[in-house]
Amino acid sequence: EAQVTQNPRYLITVTGKKLTVTCSQNMNHEYMSWYRQDPGLGLRQIYYSMNVEVTDKGDVPEGYKVSRKEKRNFPLILESPSPNQTSLYFCASSDAGGGSNYGYTFGSGTRLTVV
Amino acid sequence: KNEVEQSPQNLTAQEGEFITINCSYSVGISALHWLQQHPGGGIVSLFMLSSGKKKHGRLIATINIQEKHSSLHITASHPRDSAVYICAVGPGNTPLVFGKGTRLSVIA
Repeated sequence: EAQVTQNPRYLITVTGKKLTVTCSQNMNHEYMSWYRQDPGLGLRQIYYSMNVEVTDKGDVPEGYKVSRKEKRNFPLILESPSPNQTSLYFCASSDAGGGSNYGYTFGSGTRLTVV
Repeated sequence: KNEVEQSPQNLTAQEGEFITINCSYSVGISALHWLQQHPGGGIVSLFMLSSGKKKHGRLIATINIQEKHSSLHITASHPRDSAVYICAVGPGNTPLVFGKGTRLSVIA
């Protein structure tokens, strides 16, 4: 089954403790991205990657890092999490330029709480 | 930067009603996406369109590039259509700017 797999689904952590949220896709998509969703603000892009070793900042990159060493994986790293990073996070992939009628495939989301 | 406005913010409909959700954007784009987010949080991509009209089951999406406007229609609405519908625009596939969503409740 074609899918984007995010882990973990739920995470509670303490301020300053480094964490990684993993994202993996099995569709050989070139494009992958991370978003956070907050009440009243909607979805906002954190980082995106057009291909292996190519990453770019989105609208809200502060406090986050990403890497794209392999096509299928795009982990989101919070080096020193703070309470304002408490949010619902989504990873998505797309076959950029592939002409898909349905665009993006989203992961199931990761609900992160930083205390 | 593109501004994306959706209307209405909230919508309650009776089962069977025809529903329209609107999306307007401020800057020319290459593609517009309609997404559906269920109460459990998962997001599904419904349509990506750059011109004209697309249909998938009871869902129809239209876009008017000149007027910078898109509509999502749901025919014969059903309680299982209850969700948040999100419009997103971008230059090609990336990056996307999202609307804040329209929360739809369909009552049996």
